[in-house]
Amino acid sequence: DADVTQTPRNRITKTGKRIMLECSQTKGHDRMYWYRQDPGLGLRLIYYSFDVKDINKGEISDGYSVSRQAQAKFSLSLESAIPNQTALYFCATSDLRPGSLQETQYFGPGTRLLVL
Amino acid sequence: LAKTTQPISMDSYEGQEVNITCSHNNIATNDYITWYQQFPSQGPRFIIQGYKTKVTNEVASLFIPADRKSSTLSLPRVSLSDTAVYYCLVGDSMNTGFQKLVFGTGTRLLVSP
Repeated sequence: DADVTQTPRNRITKTGKRIMLECSQTKGHDRMYWYRQDPGLGLRLIYYSFDVKDINKGEISDGYSVSRQAQAKFSLSLESAIPNQTALYFCATSDLRPGSLQETQYFGPGTRLLVL
Repeated sequence: LAKTTQPISMDSYEGQEVNITCSHNNIATNDYITWYQQFPSQGPRFIIQGYKTKVTNEVASLFIPADRKSSTLSLPRVSLSDTAVYYCLVGDSMNTGFQKLVFGTGTRLLVSP
């Protein structure tokens, strides 16, 4: 979805380095998410945020931190990268409208990260 | 969260109708059923969502029987560009505050000429 952008698209880093992956959205959604995907597997949730003041851990948050700088921006940081964090990282946004029971998530193009 | 089971892979030819069935025996009363499509090196893309009976949009149809323990995604007249991984998810947007998306390994559909 072109309304959700991620930078960088590809990144190679070394063990122990701190890196930041950035996500921006123009959809005006309050909710944002970070997932990782390993080869041949589904996506796993790292962190999610329902609004600027709300941050929640997902199922695999260890080794990661996030920052919700604004409604439109949600950054993921690896404080000290390790090789098993090599994966494809996706940012997503969603909007659960008041009174609605349905939610759709919109994903960015992904960031391919390689930790040597 | 209800667990879902789908076939690992399916093969089809251009122009055929493809039906991918997903089992979710423990689906809860408030759970919706959602299907996503993912192409290699891209993020998943929403296809269709439903609660019961049949839902149709410009891309696909979703059939949900009365007991809601399974659902079938139907892709009419597939083309080569429909080759992708298809994920079935169930979740409750109301009670948990959002529909936590639990992606399994999905169904890898290969469409051949």
